[in-house]
Amino acid sequence: DAGITQSPRYKITETGRQVTLMCHQTWSHSYMFWYRQDLGHGLRLIYYSAAADITDKGEVPDGYVVSRSKTENFPLTLESATRSQTSVYFCASMDAGGAGANVLTFGAGSRLTVL
Amino acid sequence: GEDVEQSLFLSVREGDSSVINCTYTDSSSTYLYWYKQEPGAGLQLLTYIFSNMDMKQDQRLTVLLNKKDKHLSLRIADTQTGDSAIYFCAERRDFGNEKLTFGTGTRLTIIP
Repeated sequence: DAGITQSPRYKITETGRQVTLMCHQTWSHSYMFWYRQDLGHGLRLIYYSAAADITDKGEVPDGYVVSRSKTENFPLTLESATRSQTSVYFCASMDAGGAGANVLTFGAGSRLTVL
Repeated sequence: GEDVEQSLFLSVREGDSSVINCTYTDSSSTYLYWYKQEPGAGLQLLTYIFSNMDMKQDQRLTVLLNKKDKHLSLRIADTQTGDSAIYFCAERRDFGNEKLTFGTGTRLTIIP
């Protein structure tokens, strides 16, 4: 499927467990992002990546780990999940140039509940 | 997202115009965006405006930018039930910075 896909769409886990949210894009966009959406906070940037093997922290990176070994994939790992990480997580991508530059395209989201 | 402010709720009668407002804080912002989020879905780009423009119109949508006051608005003409959604304002702060900073979102409710 063309576009940006996230998996799983829904996940319930327990405090202390490791969880990985997957993100895959088919456009070969250079930039990829992870945001979390919480009521009253809008979207907050967790981590972003400018290219394969280049990642950097966003506004709320604590408790999260990312990697980008391939351009098309940008997984987000919660090493030891906490209840405060219950949220909806959105992956997004942006091209470095051309028609897709300046436009952030989002996946459908992953709803994570930590019990 | 604390640097970009929006009202949380707006109710509008079907057929009227909706105006959603946003205040941002960074005068060096290069692009400003409006995204729409329908229930259970991701964010969809509606429109964006470059900082050297005052206005942009696209069918029922009109974006106004007041750089002096750091104020951005989205007007939706002839509001329909399908316009019910959360609308996010976002700013991109400077060239070479690909990150977007989002507001809290405004939930638009259409009254029949």
